Amino acid sequence: ETGVTQTPRHLVMGMTNKKSLKCEQHLGHNAMYWYKQSAKKPLELMFVYSLEERVENNSVPSRFSPECPNSSHLFLHLHTLQPEDSALYLCASSQEPYPQRGQETQYFGPGTRLLVL
Amino acid sequence: DQQVKQNSPSLSVQEGRISILNCDYTNSMFDYFLWYKKYPAEGPTFLISISSIKDKNEDGRFTVFLNKSAKHLSLHIVPSQPGDSAVYFCAAATDSWGKLQFGAGTQVVVTP
Repeated sequence: ETGVTQTPRHLVMGMTNKKSLKCEQHLGHNAMYWYKQSAKKPLELMFVYSLEERVENNSVPSRFSPECPNSSHLFLHLHTLQPEDSALYLCASSQEPYPQRGQETQYFGPGTRLLVL
Repeated sequence: DQQVKQNSPSLSVQEGRISILNCDYTNSMFDYFLWYKKYPAEGPTFLISISSIKDKNEDGRFTVFLNKSAKHLSLHIVPSQPGDSAVYFCAAATDSWGKLQFGAGTQVVVTP
């Protein structure tokens, strides 16, 4: 399998549930990202990992907890979410997190459509 | 505060004609700009980019123009094809690191 994959593709959860989103990249990249896209809004960067270390946490509430066990896998653990957290969650990867000309391109997975009831 | 803006949420164009998508930005530190294309149920895919040292970059039917003084860039698709129907996102980055700022997207519909 190639590219960036995400599971599950769709998720419905209650506010008291705990669930996890999974992302896997098969591109040999060193950086991985979580984005949130709410309806009619720009993609919002949530977290950035470089070589399994978190390099950016964009003021994301603690009910979202990322985990990067290795450079190919990224998880987003969800706990006691709110209905306003319903959105499309996109994972992306890139060769490096720091711009080197020609390597800024981020490759996205298909996303997980999350609905919090 | 949104630093990258796509003020047209949608655009309808006839097949064979030119599609022009616009993007404005407020941060003068941005020095690299990208366009992504997104089909339903798929993640965004990279389309074309431009560095701030250039004012035009062309790749097949796609051309991106950058006007730094106006803090404006545009994407031209010519000729437009039905397969171009998608949401197009403009994104910008500074040289400090690859934190992309995205616009809200423009939905393009190409009609036969």
